[in-house]
Amino acid sequence: GIQVEQSPPDLILQEGANSTLRCNFSDSVNNLQWFHQNPWGQLINLFYIPSGTKQNGRLSATTVATERYSLLYISSSQTTDSGVYFCAVLSNDYKLSFGAGTTVTVRA
Amino acid sequence: DGGITQSPKYLFRKEGQNVTLSCEQNLNHDAMYWYRQDPGQGLRLIYYSQIVNDFQKGDIAEGYSVSREKKESFPLTVTSAQKNPTAFYLCASSIQPRTGELFFGEGSRLTVL
Repeated sequence: GIQVEQSPPDLILQEGANSTLRCNFSDSVNNLQWFHQNPWGQLINLFYIPSGTKQNGRLSATTVATERYSLLYISSSQTTDSGVYFCAVLSNDYKLSFGAGTTVTVRA
Repeated sequence: DGGITQSPKYLFRKEGQNVTLSCEQNLNHDAMYWYRQDPGQGLRLIYYSQIVNDFQKGDIAEGYSVSREKKESFPLTVTSAQKNPTAFYLCASSIQPRTGELFFGEGSRLTVL
């Protein structure tokens, strides 16, 4: 199956800082999603972004499908941004494969 | 409200007992999925269903069973054959299996004593 690698595994930020999370995948994909898992375990949809760039408030994402990577940008980070960020890709066999996640800690 | 409902949220069972986790969606989505998450790990696919009365094994199907008798419902049974059943289980759905955006329920946390 498709391999999904996320980096860095852990990220510690001071409130107000900007950061970039990366997702590399090993094959062509039908879609790519970014999720934020909150402390209660719920997965919150951030972006559905098989290609191109999208923005939602302080978050934005870019996927370059031909080069098999996606980036998630967090600007002016807040403590509520803490949690685990997952990248997931949908392959041709309809399976959504997840990366191991990036754990983000934002300190006040 | 439209969404995905999982129940129960927390479940404790003795070793050797079968357990069924419920997943219901009112989004009129065709595809439904079950994932397992262990502490500090990503999600792994257990089973998925693209249409009613059809389902396929994911990457870690051993020790689990599912049914898809209705479009809205996709229950997961954790059988006594599953060697390490304690985990966080997440159900998801998408409007169509090939390209659709996935939406997740709030999860069910199973602890086997």
